[in-house]
Amino acid sequence: EDQVTQSPEALRLQEGESSSLNCSYTVSGLRGLFWYRQDPGKGPEFLFTLYSAGEEKEKERLKATLTKKESFLHITAPKPEDSATYLCAVRLPNNAGNMLTFGGGTRLMVKP
Amino acid sequence: GAVVSQHPSWVICKSGTSVKIECRSLDFQATTMFWYRQFPKQSLMLMATSNEGSKATYEQGVEKDKFLINHASLTLSTLTVTSAHPEDSSFYICSALRLLYNSPLHFGNGTRLTVT
Repeated sequence: EDQVTQSPEALRLQEGESSSLNCSYTVSGLRGLFWYRQDPGKGPEFLFTLYSAGEEKEKERLKATLTKKESFLHITAPKPEDSATYLCAVRLPNNAGNMLTFGGGTRLMVKP
Repeated sequence: GAVVSQHPSWVICKSGTSVKIECRSLDFQATTMFWYRQFPKQSLMLMATSNEGSKATYEQGVEKDKFLINHASLTLSTLTVTSAHPEDSSFYICSALRLLYNSPLHFGNGTRLTVT
């Protein structure tokens, strides 16, 4: 069964303390891995799409990387405003519906 | 960036009544829209896939007669929770897919439904 697993479930960081979030998947023939940020009471906000192993994308303090079995979201020198739930999702192969399968998310809390 | 508007952002209704939630793609055409449900501190669970001009495809365990989905145009899909009960209280989020290969989903800001 195709699965997407995120770890850790929750992460507390001090402001400026860099770390990484993990998203591992058991899918063959991935058609894209997506990272989203979700604030409480809001819908997910699109961050990155990665398509192939070795690909990297950056946006401000965030950097997403992809291997054949997992993706990392690196957060460099985080600030309190980076606190949110980060979701990863994969688009399955041969899926005519283009739907995404989500991991459970990582709740990130950055303390000043 | 792509904008998806969802309305209302929150609604409180009495048990037994029906509630309609709208999802609009404001600056692009969406042949496919998805409806998700999210419980507190949990991830998104896909309820159904809505294609413009055709019947929605429901995920296993989702009652199609309870959650009526209509996708009448390329920019509007609606979810109607019929005869709502307290256990239907949840956060409902829609998303829309642009007509581009492998484009990401763009999400609305969700609707918090509380059934009393």
